[in-house]
Amino acid sequence: EVQLVESGGGLIQPGGSLRLSCAASGFIVSSCRMGWIRQAPGKGLDWVSIIYSDDTTSYADSVKGRFTISRDNSRNTLYLQMNSLRDDDTAVYYCVRERSGQIDEEWGRGTLVIASS
Amino acid sequence: QSALTQPRSVSGSPGQSVTISCTGTSSDVGGYNYVSWYQQHPGKAPTLMIYDVSQRPSGVPDRFSGSKSGNTASLTISGLQAEDEADYHCCSHAGRNTYRVFGGGTKLTVL
Repeated sequence: EVQLVESGGGLIQPGGSLRLSCAASGFIVSSCRMGWIRQAPGKGLDWVSIIYSDDTTSYADSVKGRFTISRDNSRNTLYLQMNSLRDDDTAVYYCVRERSGQIDEEWGRGTLVIASS
Repeated sequence: QSALTQPRSVSGSPGQSVTISCTGTSSDVGGYNYVSWYQQHPGKAPTLMIYDVSQRPSGVPDRFSGSKSGNTASLTISGLQAEDEADYHCCSHAGRNTYRVFGGGTKLTVL
């Protein structure tokens, strides 16, 4: 069974750092396009970042230079390192396996990040 | 402000049909046949209802259908049921650098 479980969210002061993790099971993370999508309270969905199977990455302009997406193949885990956090980074962060060819899209349940003093 | 434009709310009575629009540009909706739609109930993660403009994942009722014309995509829900009341988000691929863009979401109320 395919499963994505996010962790690492919490309350952090603006300017601080946090690392989110997404533990995958039922498939190999390194073979897939993996990404992060967030949703601020009461708002719509907002694409954050993607890492391709060839290790290239892309970021939304709003997080470029502050966030870094990566993966640990030995742990089959996706990460999002978030630095210089701002109030408007407050959101539920979802880990997503992107659809590609025969690989279906899959979402985790999300982890809440609150950047507030 | 979201990249794609959706109505903030729509409503319909049980058994009726509703259509939710999603307007983008030639760089996203109009440029790719990779429009998807998500249903989201309060406090839950989004659920994929439509992908590739009009394809339904297994398990999604055929009451849900998608289409696209130019820079505007649409989600139609026929035979409305109470459990369809939720937020609906549209999404489009927008190239390798800006992988996805979303609409602001539409709240569907079943009267």
